[in-house]
This record gives sequence, structure tokens and C-alpha cells, in this order.
Amino acid sequence: DAKTTQPNSMESNEEEPVHLPCNHSTISGTDYIHWYRQLPSQGPEYVIHGLTSNVNNRMASLAIAEDRKSSTLILHRATLRDAAVYYCILSALNAGGTSYGKLTFGQGTILTVHP
Amino acid sequence: NAGVTQTPKFRILKIGQSMTLQCTQDMNHNYMYWYRQDPGMGLKLIYYSVGAGITDKGEVPNGYNVSRSTTEDFPLRLELAAPSQTSVYFCASSSGGLGYTFGSGTRLTVV
Repeated sequence: DAKTTQPNSMESNEEEPVHLPCNHSTISGTDYIHWYRQLPSQGPEYVIHGLTSNVNNRMASLAIAEDRKSSTLILHRATLRDAAVYYCILSALNAGGTSYGKLTFGQGTILTVHP
Repeated sequence: NAGVTQTPKFRILKIGQSMTLQCTQDMNHNYMYWYRQDPGMGLKLIYYSVGAGITDKGEVPNGYNVSRSTTEDFPLRLELAAPSQTSVYFCASSSGGLGYTFGSGTRLTVV
């Protein structure tokens, strides 16, 4: 699986939008972009995923660059509960392939939210 | 809706002891995974399964074994515990490799 690059840490204020960047310059055409987050002392939690088009769900939005070499996770109004480590992960999904959606976690971005 | 249930939540083992970490999911997911997370690090894949009777190694399989006799259960076996296996273990499941659901983890200490 191709690798991703994320900033080690970011800070935000409560109720402000947060844009978490991720670079994945070696992404292949079959790679999905996944975002997970891990709150302190908990297991990772699915946030969002996408392939080519921007995606929205109740938790966040995912903006994918036209060349797919980067993406941005957008939290529209940060809350204290959003303080977590955010992981950007690529995974190829091929029904006949071998990745089976295996996720390779990097170090992620530690998001601190200030009251 | 329980999701992914892991037991036990905490365990202390002595070097050389064996134990099984239990994982059960009630979402009828075909894919299941075991990860470990060392302090301050990301998760590393130990083993995964794409269906009952099918398992394969991940990035760090040494010292572990798995089995998948049913869709719901995916136990992880440590045969001879070593201090290097001190970690937090997470089980996860997914439908087609998207939208993983993780368990709450098992914190294992080997002394």
C-alpha cells in the first residue's frame, strides 16, 4: 500500500473548523483514502473514506485533490470530543486481490482542541 | 448492537505463559483483523481473516496464532508470552474492507 504523510500535531479552538491534511503522492488508481481517529484509551473509530469525489457524512467531510495526491479531512465545528489522533490511510480494494482492505496505520496527527 | 467485543480488557501474564484473546462480532462481517499497538505508535496488523476457515499473516505474526471457525469469532492465541508482546491488542471487523469497527482493546502486560 502507498504511504501517507501527515503533520505530527495540530491545534484548534472549539467550534472552529479544522482542516487535517494528508499527502499521498504515490497513490494508485485502486487506492481508497480512509480516515480513522483514535480517542485516548479507545480503539480507532471510522470517520470517512473516499476514492475520487469529495465525501460528506455526519462526522466530517473529505476533500480529495483532483490528482488524488493529497486529501483533507474537514471537521466543520470542532468540539472537545474531537481531540484525538487522526489517521489517514490508503488501502486498495480489489475483489480479486490480496489486500482485503488491510489498513496500515502510521503515526497520525494529534489534534488538540482548546476550549 | 454490541459491535466488536473483546475479552479480557486487561491481563497480566508471566513469561512463558499462554493465553487466548477473544474477539466476537455480531455484524455478520466476513473480514476480521487483529492489531497491536505499542505505546505512542500506530497499529500493526498481526493476522487477518476474510472468512470462516481462512486466515493469513499480517505485518507482525511471530508469536501468535489465530483460527476462524465461525463468522462471528476470531480468537488470537499467544503460546509462549514474551515481554515484547506487552501491548494493547485490538480486534476489528469490516464488510468488504471498508468502515472497520474496532473493539475496545485488551491491555496485555507480560512480566
